[in-house]
Amino acid sequence: QKEVEQDPGPLSVPEGAIVSLNCTYSNSAFQYFMWYRQYSRKGPELLMYTYSSGNKEDGRFTAQVDKSSKYISLFIRDSQPSDSATYLCAFTQGGSEKLVFGKGTKLTVNP
Amino acid sequence: KAGVTQTPRYLIKTRGQQVTLSCSPISGHRSVSWYQQTPGQGLQFLFEYFSETQRNKGNFPGRFSGRQFSNSRSEMNVSTLELGDSALYLCASSRTGREETQYFGPGTRLLVL
Repeated sequence: QKEVEQDPGPLSVPEGAIVSLNCTYSNSAFQYFMWYRQYSRKGPELLMYTYSSGNKEDGRFTAQVDKSSKYISLFIRDSQPSDSATYLCAFTQGGSEKLVFGKGTKLTVNP
Repeated sequence: KAGVTQTPRYLIKTRGQQVTLSCSPISGHRSVSWYQQTPGQGLQFLFEYFSETQRNKGNFPGRFSGRQFSNSRSEMNVSTLELGDSALYLCASSRTGREETQYFGPGTRLLVL
């Protein structure tokens, strides 16, 4: 069983749509949950970070964590063409432990 | 505040050669981690340095090595390059490495022919 599973897509939506991105994980030791956004030819950029089950909202972005199901989601409301990028979920046990990434979902928002 | 910088941005090497990549962390950050990104395997952790000491290591062969200097700048070296080493090499920095927020540089794209 892979430690992290993320649907690679690609996902194509019209501008203004609500986007749902998801990851599942198997390592119960993961305590911190992140979403990164990576534009083409750029390094990943941290979007959202949380350590508890439940929802965390930041502008048009909502991160949702369900530790009991080992499932995390990122919702993007009112999606914009500038949201077109690859979205990576990432996990860590904390401390100086490494980040474990999903393989990323490529999102295209069409004007 | 300047972000994480990596040099060079692009490199072309041939099999058997060695390569050194450089990373300058955000000012005040003392932890530097390196990751390899490929289409097939995604982002994989190579190693982490803090205060010139390797604190954590991923599952890569000994051909991959790194070091950190007293000013927190870091280098990674790959010896005896193989075609499969073609990848985007990313470094990330954080203040102590014990935060969960790591800041990534733009990466060095290495092509091995």
